[in-house]
Amino acid sequence: DSGVTQTPKHLITATGQRVTLRCSPRSGDLSVYWYQQSLDQGLQFLIQYYNGEERAKGNILERFSAQQFPDLHSELNLSSLELGDSALYFCASSVADNTGELFFGEGSRLTVL
Amino acid sequence: AQSVTQLDSQVPVFEEAPVELRCNYSSSVSVYLFWYVQYPNQGLQLLLKYLSGSTLVKGINGFEAEFNKSQTSFHLRKPSVHISDTAEYFCAVSAGSYIPTFGRGTSLIVHP
Repeated sequence: DSGVTQTPKHLITATGQRVTLRCSPRSGDLSVYWYQQSLDQGLQFLIQYYNGEERAKGNILERFSAQQFPDLHSELNLSSLELGDSALYFCASSVADNTGELFFGEGSRLTVL
Repeated sequence: AQSVTQLDSQVPVFEEAPVELRCNYSSSVSVYLFWYVQYPNQGLQLLLKYLSGSTLVKGINGFEAEFNKSQTSFHLRKPSVHISDTAEYFCAVSAGSYIPTFGRGTSLIVHP
């Protein structure tokens, strides 16, 4: 158990819909990262937050957004969903952002029909 | 920019045989290197990391890796694998921004 909690574990929805994925980092970790894992793209970095502020952006679509709340939990919002958004979405956390060592949650599997 | 290449998408091996999973990286600055393992239906778990110091790094479950700066490699090895080592293995590199970039993964399949 990494200490990173993600909900929901599985989600099935239709094209055009909007979903929210939630992540609680390990106790004491200030930094949260979101990654998307798909068969064709592998693990792609989406976005990082550090202590409530956006720190870095990766290959995140404009239809996607995220935030980190004062209690340090984070949410990833995916809107106008397309079939290609079907993937495993991982949240990871770290104490700081000075090495890149991450602790991953078990992921949220999104299926868009 | 940094990148990681895992040269083998799949490595089949028999139980108790040695194994090497290959990883090469590209970066214009000093790097930190990691190997993660992903078991079915689970998240990624850190196996080992190279931050500085000795180039031979030992991790959990009997795995080790060697950082070779001249060859820009960080290959993962285990002298004797078990059935339970069957999983997906990811090499990752971070530099500069400290956002890890992951390789495409190598599926280790251990046969009895």
